[in-house]
Amino acid sequence: SQKIEQNSEALNIQEGKTATLTCNYTNYSPAYLQWYRQDPGRGPVFLLLIRENEKEKRKERLKVTFDTTLKQSLFHITASQPADSATYLCALDPSGGYQKVTFGTGTKLQVIP
Amino acid sequence: GAVVSQHPSWVICKSGTSVKIECRSLDFQATTMFWYRQFPKQSLMLMATSNEGSKATYEQGVEKDKFLINHASLTLSTLTVTSAHPEDSSFYICSADPGTSGTYEQYFGPGTRLTVT
Repeated sequence: SQKIEQNSEALNIQEGKTATLTCNYTNYSPAYLQWYRQDPGRGPVFLLLIRENEKEKRKERLKVTFDTTLKQSLFHITASQPADSATYLCALDPSGGYQKVTFGTGTKLQVIP
Repeated sequence: GAVVSQHPSWVICKSGTSVKIECRSLDFQATTMFWYRQFPKQSLMLMATSNEGSKATYEQGVEKDKFLINHASLTLSTLTVTSAHPEDSSFYICSADPGTSGTYEQYFGPGTRLTVT
């Protein structure tokens, strides 16, 4: 069955360092992979989308890589700040049509001042 | 831009009663809206796709008679949880698709926390 794995344990990182979050998937061939930020008691906020034919995408301090051979995406936050503390979700979209977008359980990031 | 609101933000109801949750796109029109449910420390699970002017499409395992969805306009979709039971207590989140060509972003509402006692 299709499975998305994100590190369920919280990631604690010192302010100013680069945070790296992992999203692995099995039995899936996504056309798009998305990363969202979710704060407690709030809905997810879209951050970045990367297509299957793209290796890397950047936006300000964020960088996403997508390796369809390894079936893995890495999400990096450089120069992390306490305000970056949140849960980060990856989501796989097979076609861009949302019908079967599947979310991972998320990884909680805590940036320590 | 692309703001989605939900109302109420939280609701407590008694078992057996019905609860309506509204999802509105404030600054864009959305022909398609989505309803998700999220249990603590679990991922968002798509419940149904709501299309303006037509019947919703429900995911496997979601009871359409229990979770009534109405998408009466291009800016409003409602989810009614009928005859709610404690196991329906969850965080319900809607999202909307602006339908902008070439982009695949979903815009999520802030969520509604439902507690059934």
